[in-house]
Amino acid sequence: EAGVTQFPSHSVIEKGQTVTLRCDPISGHDNLYWYRRVMGKEIKFLLHFVKESKQDESGMPNNRFLAERTGGTYSTLKVQPAELEDSGVYFCASSQESPNTGELFFGEGSRLTVL
Amino acid sequence: QKEVEQDPGPLSVPEGAIVSLNCTYSNSAFQYFMWYRQYSRKGPELLMYTYSSGNKEDGRFTAQVDKSSKYISLFIRDSQPSDSATYLCAIRHGGSQGNLIFGKGTKLSVKP
Repeated sequence: EAGVTQFPSHSVIEKGQTVTLRCDPISGHDNLYWYRRVMGKEIKFLLHFVKESKQDESGMPNNRFLAERTGGTYSTLKVQPAELEDSGVYFCASSQESPNTGELFFGEGSRLTVL
Repeated sequence: QKEVEQDPGPLSVPEGAIVSLNCTYSNSAFQYFMWYRQYSRKGPELLMYTYSSGNKEDGRFTAQVDKSSKYISLFIRDSQPSDSATYLCAIRHGGSQGNLIFGKGTKLSVKP
């Protein structure tokens, strides 16, 4: 069974440009999460989807970030316009409906470099 | 004060050593405690999960939680070179399903 897949693995853009990151969760996982790690900092929660609905978006840094999950399958995270401080690794994770074990399955991450 | 504090290391040990990794947290409302392992250029993967004080053992790994001291530990016995990775503690509130709060991670290197 395929794990969580993320695309692109690495993106290099200039400040002011737009980037869209994509995440395909494990099939059947209703819960999808976005996390981010900027250099030297902890991995931080961004938001949580249950199917196509945003359950918790308390971690989204500002309105330059837009996450969508149309149809409740894959998700996209768009950064527009990108700023230097947006550089980091963006992780997507998914879990079953009631992850009582706390297990989130993470993808390998999309590394974003903003120049 | 950060919600979770973890010494980032790096930590280097010889093969076969016992490794002790630790985190402290600030909020007694946290109920669930996890250890994730992350290999270079990969995503974190869950190693251990617990929600109560005490010890939980899984093979060479033991997770320990002391809620009175707000202190969590991961012990690795008979460490192997394949254990070389970054170990991240993570905690969450009871009502927060996926909003994990991570420590910075401790980079471990086990030398053959």
